[in-house]
Amino acid sequence: DAGVIQSPRHEVTEMGQEVTLRCKPISGHNSLFWYRQTMMRGLELLIYFNNNVPIDDSGMPEDRFSAKMPNASFSTLKIQPSEPRDSAVYFCASSLILAGGEQYFGPGTRLTVT
Amino acid sequence: GEDVEQSLFLSVREGDSSVINCTYTDSSSTYLYWYKQEPGAGLQLLTYIFSNMDMKQDQRLTVLLNKKDKHLSLRIADTQTGDSAIYFCAERGAGGYNKLIFGAGTRLAVHP
Repeated sequence: DAGVIQSPRHEVTEMGQEVTLRCKPISGHNSLFWYRQTMMRGLELLIYFNNNVPIDDSGMPEDRFSAKMPNASFSTLKIQPSEPRDSAVYFCASSLILAGGEQYFGPGTRLTVT
Repeated sequence: GEDVEQSLFLSVREGDSSVINCTYTDSSSTYLYWYKQEPGAGLQLLTYIFSNMDMKQDQRLTVLLNKKDKHLSLRIADTQTGDSAIYFCAERGAGGYNKLIFGAGTRLAVHP
């Protein structure tokens, strides 16, 4: 299996622009998680889905952030408008709800907002 | 509430054993995990342990679980420079859906 795939790997944009991050989970997994990692705040859970349905979005920092999962093999995280403080590495992870329940992480998207 | 704590930094000499410690608060946690993050990469699952186990060994890695004290440790035998990374402890949170509660991570530095 190719593992969790994220694109782009790097994104540089100007403040005020819309940013869309993409994630393809491991085939057959039914839970998907979006995280943000910064030096100051560490690893933060933003939102997670089960069977394509958002379960908990309490970690989404502001209304500028939105996430969708239109099908089992694709999810997006959108920031509109972006701000410099959104600069971080964004990770997507997927999991299968069974005994064990471990999450598998993608390589991340490094976002820089200037 | 659910919380996971780790020391932030550990320095060891190459060839020595490393022990990374973690404490958690949720006594109902069924699974506990160790992840490794190398620079510029995502989190890589190293191992996990079920709460009814006290120990799990996998090659150079040994996980010890003390449920009474809610303490988890990861021992790396014969530590190598390639083991230099950040190590995250995580517990499986309540409510299903495989939500994990992560610690802040322990940065392991291996020196000659």
